[in-house]
Formats: sequence, C-alpha cells, structure tokens
Amino acid sequence: AQTVTQSQPEMSVQEAETVTLSCTYDTSESNYYLFWYKQPPSRQMILVIRQEAYKQQNATENRFSVNFQKAAKSFSLKISDSQLGDTAMYFCAFDQGAQKLVFGQGTRLTINP
Amino acid sequence: SQTIHQWPATLVQPVGSPLSLECTVEGTSNPNLYWYRQAAGRGLQLLFYSVGIGQISSEVPQNLSASRPQDRQFILSSKKLLLSDSGFYLCAWDSHNEKLFFGSGTQLSVL
Repeated sequence: AQTVTQSQPEMSVQEAETVTLSCTYDTSESNYYLFWYKQPPSRQMILVIRQEAYKQQNATENRFSVNFQKAAKSFSLKISDSQLGDTAMYFCAFDQGAQKLVFGQGTRLTINP
Repeated sequence: SQTIHQWPATLVQPVGSPLSLECTVEGTSNPNLYWYRQAAGRGLQLLFYSVGIGQISSEVPQNLSASRPQDRQFILSSKKLLLSDSGFYLCAWDSHNEKLFFGSGTQLSVL
C-alpha cells in the first residue's frame, strides 16, 4: 500500500524567509500525481501545487515550488518570501488513482512577524 | 464556475443517534465525489468515493455509509453514531482532470 510520510510535525520561520517542507512516499507505480494542500485555520483544504510523476520539470506556482526526486521518492515544498497568510497545516498527498488521495500526517507551519 | 456546498458546518450528536451529512456540487456534471475524514491532528482518510449515481465504493470498514441519489449530491449517513465517529468530515469532487476540490467541512462531535 502507498504511504506518505511528513517527518516535520511543526515548523516556524520569520516572515520573508524561505522554508522547505519535506515529504517522502512509497509506491511501486511509475505514473502518479503528487500534491501539496494547505489547510488554514478555517480548515478549508486548498490545493497549493500538483506534480505529475512523468514530468521531470519541477512544478511552480508563484512563491511555491517543489523539488521532486522520483528515484528517491521525495517531494518537498519550498515557500519563498513567506507571508503571514502562509500560516497553516500543509499536507502532502499521493494519488493512487481515481483521485483516491493518500495523505501524510501534515506539517504545521507558522510564519512569525 | 463550480462550487461545492457542505452542511452543516458543526454538529453535536449523542452516541447512538443517526447521522446525515449532505454535500452538493454546482456548475459541473458527472463529477467524482468523495468523503474524507480528518481525526484531530491527523491527515485525511478516504472513506467513500462515487463515480456516478448509485455507485459507491468504501475504502475502510466502518459504522458509516454513503449514498448518491442524484448526480451532484453525496450523503454520508450512520444509523447509530459511535464516539469514534467524531472528526472533521470533508466532501470533495473532481471533474476527471486530476484536481480535487474540497468543501468547507463538517466538525462532528459525538458525545
């Protein structure tokens, strides 16, 4: 079965700094999707970024980018120029097919002023 | 544009009582629909998914059931709630383009 591991339960950085959240996963499949979701205090799950496994190029969405290492089964999220509004729980997720996502345990990120 | 509605936002129920959570999607047709549960301080766990009316797949054995009486309506139910059913329930949908969108969630407390 696929598993997703986020080894950092909590992280805290100063505003405007860059922060990287770690995620590793385990699968025997070759084609799949990986996601980062943000859950602010409102608890709404918001899609941050998506990576297709067959694409070597790392996905980027404005200040958010990923470092996708397929061989190492690693999928980290980098947030540049962090803002107070980035404070949230961040979940890494693996798509095992038909959008049946497997989620990690989450990393609680706090951006300090 | 597509929107997803989920209600109620908060629910407190006694053990043994029934449950009905509803989710509807607007602005799309034939979506895939999902129910996820998030236990306190944990990630999300997929409970049910549906690819069409009357088609329900369960991912984990539990005290809950799901139904899809209409194309854009997904209902999560229980005949008798357990304490362990407490959690944050999220409905989600996708239109077959590999992106999943979530509702605002229901916080269920079983006392």
